[in-house]
This record gives sequence, structure tokens and C-alpha cells, in this order.
Amino acid sequence: ETGVTQTPRHLVMGMTNKKSLKCEQHLGHNAMYWYKQSAKKPLELMFVYNFKEQTENNSVPSRFSPECPNSSHLFLHLHTLQPEDSALYLCASSQVRTGRRGDEQFFGPGTRLTVL
Amino acid sequence: AQTVTQSQPEMSVQEAETVTLSCTYDTSESDYYLFWYKQPPSRQMILVIRQEAYKQQNATENRFSVNFQKAAKSFSLKISDSQLGDAAMYFCAYNTNAGKSTFGDGTTLTVKP
Repeated sequence: ETGVTQTPRHLVMGMTNKKSLKCEQHLGHNAMYWYKQSAKKPLELMFVYNFKEQTENNSVPSRFSPECPNSSHLFLHLHTLQPEDSALYLCASSQVRTGRRGDEQFFGPGTRLTVL
Repeated sequence: AQTVTQSQPEMSVQEAETVTLSCTYDTSESDYYLFWYKQPPSRQMILVIRQEAYKQQNATENRFSVNFQKAAKSFSLKISDSQLGDAAMYFCAYNTNAGKSTFGDGTTLTVKP
């Protein structure tokens, strides 16, 4: 595997289900991100992790729970979601270096989530 | 806080023609990077081009070039000789500290054969 991978690619769940999204980066980066992409808000940052530590939570509801066990893996645990949470969830990674801002983010293909 | 604005939700271009996508941003910083990302219908977003604010010369990558106007805080993307494979959503982005990027709302580009 190369780049950033996400599983599953598609997920349908009921509002009472618990599921998890997985992201893995094979680039040796030290930062990982979760984004939500929907028609209403094309690209919405949810969480940022630097060196496994959460550095940003963009006022995300508690029904979304991120986990970053190491710099290569990122999870998004989902429980009691609402239909309006249906969207494409994108994971990204980057190399964050002090004093440098020129490093781009590398994105995974996304998980298409449908909440019934 | 930095903001990025893409005022064109949708654009279309004839194959082989040239199109320009607009982006403006707001910042009080003097040293920063700007990016254009492309998200094709398959959804994997990739970097198209980047520009360092301290460099006066506009960045160019093959058929893609930017018009960077620092004083006006404008960063437009020009696609020359448009191809069907250029059809995608394009996002303009600004890099903040700690690697976080602020993205615009995107422009959907349609290429007509």
C-alpha cells in the first residue's frame, strides 16, 4: 500500500449503530487529519493530530470520537449518528516541520457514509 | 484567522481552451504558502501547484500556472489547453502554523468536448 488508505470505502449504518472508520498513512508523516465533505460544506476540518496528540477539535459533536494510536493510524469512531452526518469523510496526512509551511496534505480516497 | 474565498462555485471550459479559477485570501502574515488542490470525480484529492509568498515569480507546473498578487491577496489558477481529465473540483488552500490548511469552498470545473 502506498500513500493514504481508508477503509471501508462505503458504509451504511443506522442511527443506533457503532462503527469505526480507519485511516493509514504510509508516508512517514507526523500529522493526520479528519475532514467531512458534504454538499452543504465542501471541506470541513474536524480533527488534527500532531505526533499522536490531538491539537484541534473543530467543535465536532461527541458522537464522533477520534483515536490516533500512532503517527501512521487514525480512527474515527461513530455512534448514535444522525442522518445529517451522511457525507464523505476524508483522511489526510502531512509532515509538519517547525518554521516550514510548504508541505502539502496527502489525502485518502474517503469513506462514503450513509446514516439511515 | 485566515480565510480563503473562492467566488466561483462552478466554471466550464471548452476542451483545449484556457480557464482561470479565482481565489482570494485574508491574512496578516507575511510568510506563507498557498496551494491549489484537485479532486477528480474519483474523490482522491491531489496537489496541483504551490506558491511561496516570498517568491515573486508565479509558480508553473506544465499546463497549470498561478497569478499570485500578494498585495491584492489574490491567487488564481490558470489551466491552459484544458483536457477532459482536468474536470474536477478545485480547492484553494492556505497553510497555517502546525501544518493546518484553510481551504476555500471549491470550484467545480466542467470540461466540454
